[in-house]
Amino acid sequence: AQKVTQAQTEISVVEKEDVTLDCVYETRDTTYYLFWYKQPPSGELVFLIRRNSFDEQNEISGRYSWNFQKSTSSFNFTITASQVVDSAVYFCALSRGGSQGNLIFGKGTKLSVKP
Amino acid sequence: GAVVSQHPSRVICKSGTSVKIECRSLDFQATTMFWYRQFPKQSLMLMATSNEGSKATYEQGVEKDKFLINHASLTLSTLTVTSAHPEDSSFYICSARLRTDYEQYFGPGTRLTVT
Repeated sequence: AQKVTQAQTEISVVEKEDVTLDCVYETRDTTYYLFWYKQPPSGELVFLIRRNSFDEQNEISGRYSWNFQKSTSSFNFTITASQVVDSAVYFCALSRGGSQGNLIFGKGTKLSVKP
Repeated sequence: GAVVSQHPSRVICKSGTSVKIECRSLDFQATTMFWYRQFPKQSLMLMATSNEGSKATYEQGVEKDKFLINHASLTLSTLTVTSAHPEDSSFYICSARLRTDYEQYFGPGTRLTVT
């Protein structure tokens, strides 16, 4: 069975702090994709990153970085120097390779960045 | 590119009435569209997978007679909530997958309130 676990329900930080959102996944597939989405209060999902199971390189995009480790089935997301605009719910998701493709979402982590 | 729209963005209806939600891929052809539901402060859960020209595949626990899905063209899928009840109040989000790519693109969501 496939599963995504985001153990942190809510995180609160002060602006400029670094924060890491954890994501642990379970799958028996050898080919799969991992995603992170941001959901601000408006509700619209904002795509942040997609990573396939064969690419374990870490990625950095501005203040965002992702650490993918297959050995621990984790795909963690770090925001450096957080800002108030980063406040949102963040979802980690998993999809199967091949034709299925639907996403399995974690329960989300609500991040509050206070000024 | 790869824009998905949903209409309406927000709808309020009375208990017992039916509501139709449209999901359109504006600049690409989507052979597969997914419908997700998100209750307040919860994660997104897949309701059904809709393939163009064929019947939708529903997830366990989702009533196919209540949530009618039609995917009549490569750019349009509709979800009709029949005989809506207050417990159907939720945020409904569709996503569309490119014909030749596994990337999914999400619509902005439709917030349904049944009074």
